[in-house]
Parts: sequence; structure tokens; C-alpha cells
Amino acid sequence: DAGVIQSPRHEVTEMGQEVTLRCKPISGHDYLFWYRQTMMRGLELLIYFNNNVPIDDSGMPEDRFSAKMPNASFSTLKIQPSEPRDSAVYFCASSSPDRPYGYTFGSGTRLTVV
Amino acid sequence: GENVEQHPSTLSVQEGDSAVIKCTYSDSASNYFPWYKQELGKGPQLIIDIRSNVGEKKDQRIAVTLNKTAKHFSLHITETQPEDSAVYFCAASKDTGFQKLVFGTGTRLLVSP
Repeated sequence: DAGVIQSPRHEVTEMGQEVTLRCKPISGHDYLFWYRQTMMRGLELLIYFNNNVPIDDSGMPEDRFSAKMPNASFSTLKIQPSEPRDSAVYFCASSSPDRPYGYTFGSGTRLTVV
Repeated sequence: GENVEQHPSTLSVQEGDSAVIKCTYSDSASNYFPWYKQELGKGPQLIIDIRSNVGEKKDQRIAVTLNKTAKHFSLHITETQPEDSAVYFCAASKDTGFQKLVFGTGTRLLVSP
């Protein structure tokens, strides 16, 4: 298995632009999580899905952030418009039905908003 | 909700020494405690976990202990090696139904040769 695949690995964008981060979870995993990691705030859970349905989006910082999971093999996190304070590493993780707490993380997307 | 505190934030040891990272949690109903290791440029990776019906668990050079009365748990790494250098995160959750993991703030471990 290739693991959780995230793209792009790095993204540099100008303030005000739309940014879309992509994630392909491990096949058969039914939970998908989006995390943001910064030095100041550590790992923050933004939103998670179960069977493609958003369950808890209380960690989404603002209406500028949105996430979708149109099918079991793909999810996106969109920021529109982006701001410099959104600069962080964004991780996607997934877990399986028989081990829901054994998260497998992707390698992350390092986002820089200038 | 659950709150997990972790310390120290940084830890430097010499190769071959032991390293201990400690976490406390607030919700007495939490009963699942995993530890993740994050190497530079990578996502966190699960290295060991423990459930509340067990007081200690070992896997080669790493071990985790749990004290439910005091609501704290620790990661112990013996005979540290330079490749153990990474950021380590503890986490806590309830294991009834699905409850999201709450992560600690991380400990940066540096093992010097």
C-alpha cells in the first residue's frame, strides 16, 4: 500500500488566492482527518469524515476553510481567500474500521502564503 | 473536553542513555493512549499504544506506562540511538464508540552520538 497520499508537497501562494490541498486515504479506511501543524499551536484537528460524511468540523478556523470528501478515495481542503496566517503544514490521516485510533498520516503539504 | 499536556518540550540525551517523556490527561474516561513519532519532513507515525486495562507495554527499546489514578502516562526509550531523534506526540481518547484523538504539544528529542 502506498499509504496516505497528499498533494502538493509544497505550495506557495499569494495572499487572497484560493488554495486546494488534496488527499487520497488508504483503501478500506473509513475515517479521514485533516490536521494543521504549526509551531505555536501544534497539531490541530480541523475536520474529520466517516464514510465520506463530515462528522466534526468544529476545528475549522473560519468560513474561508472548507473540506469535501466526494468519494472514499479522495478529499480536498480548500482555503479561499488565503491569508499569511494560514501558513502551516497540513496533514491528512486515515484509519480503518478495525483500528479506528491507529491513524496513518500522509507526508503533509507545507503551505506558505506570502 | 479532553486536554493533554506533555513535557518536556525538548529533550537532549547522549546516545545510549534513556529518555522519558511524560503526559497528563484531564478526562478520567479516556482509556486509549497512543504515541506517535514524527521525523523531519514526515507525518506522525504510530509507534506504540496502551489501553487502560494495562499498566505497561513494551516493544523492544520502547515502553509505555500508565497510571490511571494519577491520569498520566509516559514513554520510555532505552539505549537511545541517533535515529530516535524526532518529535514525539502523546494522545488520548475514549475507546467507546469513536472519539477523536487529542494530541499533546510534542517533545523534540535529540540524541547526540
